[in-house]
Amino acid sequence: EAGVAQSPRYKIIEKRQSVAFWCNPISGHATLYWYQQILGQGPKLLIQFQNNGVVDDSQLPKDRFSAERLKGVDSTLKIQPAKLEDSAVYLCASSLGRGSRSGANVLTFGAGSRLTVL
Amino acid sequence: GQQVMQIPQYQHVQEGEDFTTYCNSSTTLSNIQWYKQRPGGHPVFLIQLVKSGEVKKQKRLTFQFGEAKKNSSLHITATQTTDVGTYFCAAYSSASKIIFGSGTRLSIRP
Repeated sequence: EAGVAQSPRYKIIEKRQSVAFWCNPISGHATLYWYQQILGQGPKLLIQFQNNGVVDDSQLPKDRFSAERLKGVDSTLKIQPAKLEDSAVYLCASSLGRGSRSGANVLTFGAGSRLTVL
Repeated sequence: GQQVMQIPQYQHVQEGEDFTTYCNSSTTLSNIQWYKQRPGGHPVFLIQLVKSGEVKKQKRLTFQFGEAKKNSSLHITATQTTDVGTYFCAAYSSASKIIFGSGTRLSIRP
């Protein structure tokens, strides 16, 4: 089974520039998550999709961050304009997300996209 | 909102010593998961606990879920250098959100 694919792996930009990250989840996984992980901290949920609908985006800074999952498969996360404090690893994860079956909400993470804002 | 506290933040042990990390939630949890993140890597799922008082073992790792389903622990017996990394608990709430703790970073002296 192919894992969660993310790109780019690394990105360096200057503040006020924009950046986009792409994620392709495991085939058949209905739920897709974007997490932000700042160095030394735990992953912080930015947005959660169930198919192509948003389940939770309460911690997404909507003035600069946007995310979409138009066809219920892959997803993009965009930051515009970037700030210094956005430097972090952006982790995409997916899960089966269907009902309460054992393992349905187990997350499989991609390798992450490391963003450095100068 | 729901918070998940994890202690200690760091633990440095001699190889062969035991290690324990604790996770506490402010609310009752549907279930709790544990993940391991190696240095430079991404979180990898270890186990999920669902039932009150549940105890599960994976070789040298023992996972417990509290009777009130508000706390959990991970215990590693006789640590090895391959155990190095950060261990996160992740709480699954009734709102279908998965909230990660701050993690416990384990380092080991050979």
